[in-house]
Amino acid sequence: GQNIDQPTEMTATEGAIVQINCTYQTSGFNGLFWYQQHAGEAPTFLSYNVLDGLEEKGRFSSFLSRSKGYSYLLLKELQMKDSASYLCAVSLPSNDYKLSFGAGTTVTVRA
Amino acid sequence: DTEVTQTPKHLVMGMTNKKSLKCEQHMGHRAMYWYKQKAKKPPELMFVYSYEKLSINESVPSRFSPECPNSSLLNLHLHALQPEDSALYLCASSHRDREETQYFGPGTRLLVL
Repeated sequence: GQNIDQPTEMTATEGAIVQINCTYQTSGFNGLFWYQQHAGEAPTFLSYNVLDGLEEKGRFSSFLSRSKGYSYLLLKELQMKDSASYLCAVSLPSNDYKLSFGAGTTVTVRA
Repeated sequence: DTEVTQTPKHLVMGMTNKKSLKCEQHMGHRAMYWYKQKAKKPPELMFVYSYEKLSINESVPSRFSPECPNSSLLNLHLHALQPEDSALYLCASSHRDREETQYFGPGTRLLVL
């Protein structure tokens, strides 16, 4: 089976920085996705890392270390609308891009 | 445009009913997916269609029957469901050959009584 771990919950203050860690042990690895999901809504794509290093997209950055089986999503200048669940997903080697999701991290931003 | 649409948004059905969920995308994606998501859990893959052919069935009970009439449409036919099948059903699509990012539709919230 696939093992993808991320913290269950995190709380931070508006304007602060939060780092969500994701560790994985999977049968193969193509790349790692981060999705944001607001309650009752669909997951929306945030980032995709294939190679080691940091990818920055505005207030959100994602980091990958393939050798350590580790990724993090960094959210800067937190806003209330960032309160959501953040899903780490590993793309497994297959012909059809099968994703294996972590359980998700619920981030609550407080004023 | 990265839009995947799903209908209906909400569905309530009895255990003897037959209903269908619909998903549509016009991004030229050739892979389409059905996921089931229970509250506070991650999405669970049910089916994958690749070039309109079923390529993955994650041991889903036969009361769920997928169909891909053409490259833009994906249906999920429901029959004799159980209350534990109540969940958010998400459709996703990906280009498959150019990039593998999956784009999700808004989902259908299903309640089985």
